[in-house]
Amino acid sequence: DTAVSQTPKYLVTQMGNDKSIKCEQNLGHDTMYWYKQDSKKFLKIMFSYNNKELIINETVPNRFSPKSPDKAHLNLHINSLELGDSAVYFCASSDRGSNTEAFFGQGTRLTVV
Amino acid sequence: KNEVEQSPQNLTAQEGEFITINCSYSVGISALHWLQQHPGGGIVSLFMLSSGKKKHGRLIATINIQEKHSSLHITASHPRDSAVYICAGYSGGSNYKLTFGKGTLLTVNP
Repeated sequence: DTAVSQTPKYLVTQMGNDKSIKCEQNLGHDTMYWYKQDSKKFLKIMFSYNNKELIINETVPNRFSPKSPDKAHLNLHINSLELGDSAVYFCASSDRGSNTEAFFGQGTRLTVV
Repeated sequence: KNEVEQSPQNLTAQEGEFITINCSYSVGISALHWLQQHPGGGIVSLFMLSSGKKKHGRLIATINIQEKHSSLHITASHPRDSAVYICAGYSGGSNYKLTFGKGTLLTVNP
């Protein structure tokens, strides 16, 4: 069983479209995250949710909206996609914040054309 | 300026060599994560430590709280260890966030 699964793995879409990336964890963790990895492979936090409540929103454009229907899911919706949104997006989860081991999804490579 | 600095940025070694990757971090970071990213892109958590030393197989991670420095060592390196190794600092408290170093690309040649 995959601990943190995100779908799709690859997403190619045109500028201006709206898309979603889904993430689910079966570890019973309280905290879930979205990270963005840019073309230089640098990872940066976007959002953090704890028990369905938004904890961190790191200067991410309003076009990005996370949604957590329950503790096990944290989906990422992106409206009006731009070329600069092309990146790999990683979902992760951990128990009781970042002071415990984090588990990552396999990543979603988003390409905006 | 990033709060977590890694060195070296790139590292090439011969199979069997002892590898060390260093990570320095700023005030306020209370725990360090070491992550491995495979060429295929997946990220695996190797260690989380806030003091002392941890060992898993050929991997050893140490942290010196006073010097705000952590190291990841790989003994008897193997080509399958080739990956990007990333250290990430946890700020503690209710700030549920990791701050990442820029990664070290390790290539182990046979």
